Amino acid sequence: EPEVTQTPSHQVTQMGQEVILRCVPISNHLYFYWYRQILGQKVEFLVSFYNNEISEKSEIFDDQFSVERPDGSNFTLKIRSTKLEDSAMYFCASSDGRGDIQYFGAGTRLSVL
Amino acid sequence: QKEVEQNSGPLSVPEGAIASLNCTYSDRGSQSFFWYRQYSGKSPELIMSIYSNGDKEDGRFTAQLNKASQYVSLLIRDSQPSDSATYLCAVNRASNTGKLIFGQGTTLQVKP
Repeated sequence: EPEVTQTPSHQVTQMGQEVILRCVPISNHLYFYWYRQILGQKVEFLVSFYNNEISEKSEIFDDQFSVERPDGSNFTLKIRSTKLEDSAMYFCASSDGRGDIQYFGAGTRLSVL
Repeated sequence: QKEVEQNSGPLSVPEGAIASLNCTYSDRGSQSFFWYRQYSGKSPELIMSIYSNGDKEDGRFTAQLNKASQYVSLLIRDSQPSDSATYLCAVNRASNTGKLIFGQGTTLQVKP
């Protein structure tokens, strides 16, 4: 069964460092998303990506965040200068259509020290 | 007013009982509705999707949607201890981006 793959599963970094979270969406999907979930809180939308550009981003997704689809399979989230409050689970998701079911990867736990 | 609202629980039911989970949403233009299950430390896993008013059944799960009341629910029949998890209601707004708005989630405990 096709699945969304995320690496690494756990990333530990020092405050101020850059991190790149990687995702391989389901191969025939066209819409890609990043969400985050701070421990004990709800899942929050960060950004949606379609046709090689951002289609929507949340207030959380400030200038420190960027996304890229560097090739036909990977979808990455970069945080340029991490803050303590960036510590969270980051989930990548993909869907076939914009209103369709989104399938989530297993997540990357980011710990900023 | 929260965009998607759920009772955080915990909702405790005995094994074999029906569990009823509820969700309300604020955006009348919302078009797609999803229930995800999330085990502690894991990612959301789709249980049901529903797009039109009425009931949709899949095995032990039934989703119910009432757009006039801005209400969506999930019934779990013959609840099993393995159903113990947090159930997330997610709503896709009337936009062209696919953005999902999640509720806080309801924690379900099924006791043997």
